[in-house]
Amino acid sequence: NAGVTQTPKFQVLKTGQSMTLQCAQDMNHEYMSWYRQDPGMGLRLIHYSVGAGITDQGEVPNGYNVSRSTTEDFPLRLLSAAPSQTSVYFCASRPTGTGDNEQFFGPGTRLTVL
Amino acid sequence: GQNIDQPTEMTATEGAIVQINCTYQTSGFNGLFWYQQHAGEAPTFLSYNVLDGLEEKGRFSSFLSRSKGYSYLLLKELQMKDSASYLCAGFTGGGNKLTFGTGTQLKVEL
Repeated sequence: NAGVTQTPKFQVLKTGQSMTLQCAQDMNHEYMSWYRQDPGMGLRLIHYSVGAGITDQGEVPNGYNVSRSTTEDFPLRLLSAAPSQTSVYFCASRPTGTGDNEQFFGPGTRLTVL
Repeated sequence: GQNIDQPTEMTATEGAIVQINCTYQTSGFNGLFWYQQHAGEAPTFLSYNVLDGLEEKGRFSSFLSRSKGYSYLLLKELQMKDSASYLCAGFTGGGNKLTFGTGTQLKVEL
């Protein structure tokens, strides 16, 4: 298993540009989520999904869109990038249900918005 | 939301024992995680506590007291490679939202 994969690893955008951060997992996990990590702020939840076709907002959803058309993929879209979105973005997945709650993280995407 | 507090930094000596504390709001709490994160890398899972008591995994142990809203991570026989950030995270929202503390940066010195 490849686990959780993210592309790209690094990205530089100009203010106002749009892009999609890709996330995929091959563990058949129902739950997937996106976090951003900034110095001194810890990991903050952007959006999450409990299964294909179901998404919900996390703590900091503004400026980001998600969709979940398949179990495997959970892309994060920045519609109009802003410097405040400069951050490291982590995608994570885990199975739902009791007794097996380990959340697996992807390697991260380092985004800079100029 | 879930407020999770942990110390910002700690320093310890190689071979020693260190305890990293975490406190959280008990309302809606549904389980507590500890993650390790080395600089420039993704967090990796260390432990999960949902019931009171101590869970031991080799050199790492995690304790939970649900009534007190308190957890700690205990690292024994510290090694230089244990220098990392340790993240405390709590499940809320019926288990659908995992809220992280800001992390404790542990530095292990000779």
